[in-house]
Amino acid sequence: EVQLLESGGGLVQPGGSLRLSCAASGFTFSSYAMSWVRQAPGKGLEWVSAISGSGGITYYADSVKGRFTISRDNSKNTLYLQMNSLRAEDRAVYYCAKAQSSNWYDLGSRWFDPWGQGTLVTVSS
Amino acid sequence: DIQMTQSPSSLSASVGDRVIITCRASQSISSYLNWYQQKPGKAPKLLIYAASSLQSGVPSRFSGSGSGTDFTLTISSLQPEDFATYYCQQSYSSPITFGQGTRLEIK
Repeated sequence: EVQLLESGGGLVQPGGSLRLSCAASGFTFSSYAMSWVRQAPGKGLEWVSAISGSGGITYYADSVKGRFTISRDNSKNTLYLQMNSLRAEDRAVYYCAKAQSSNWYDLGSRWFDPWGQGTLVTVSS
Repeated sequence: DIQMTQSPSSLSASVGDRVIITCRASQSISSYLNWYQQKPGKAPKLLIYAASSLQSGVPSRFSGSGSGTDFTLTISSLQPEDFATYYCQQSYSSPITFGQGTRLEIK
């Protein structure tokens, strides 16, 4: 069974940092691009970042570019999101999600299944 | 960025009803349109990919259609477990964007 399990969320002060992890199992992790999607409380879904299967290509939403860094360790089957200079508006549940090929350029594979259960990030003083 | 607009934003319906949710893209996205279902406190679940392909394990009462800029998600006969929020998502260009969601409530 394909499973994704996020961790690392919590309360952080504005300007602070946090690193999220997503442990994957049940599939050949390095063969798939991965993404982070977030959802502010009571709001809709917002794509945050993506990374190719090899880890060599990364993409970011403008809202997090320069502050967040996506990475992966294929030897540990784990996806990461390093979040720096956090703002109140970054408060959200962060989900990791699996794309359908290793190549993020493949338009036909950029749908997400499955998703992890999510981890809540709260930015407040 | 491609904007995705869903209508309606909320909908009340009864068990057994046929429901149609629409999603419009601000520019043509061919068939690169996916649909998700989300229940309160849970992660989104993929229902339809590539506009009309039913994800494995999803009941056949769900169907998708459309291409270009206009798409629909149809639930042929609502079941109690279908009351949830539905999102469309375009995968044609980066950044990936989602519709604002359609909340389906029990009448």
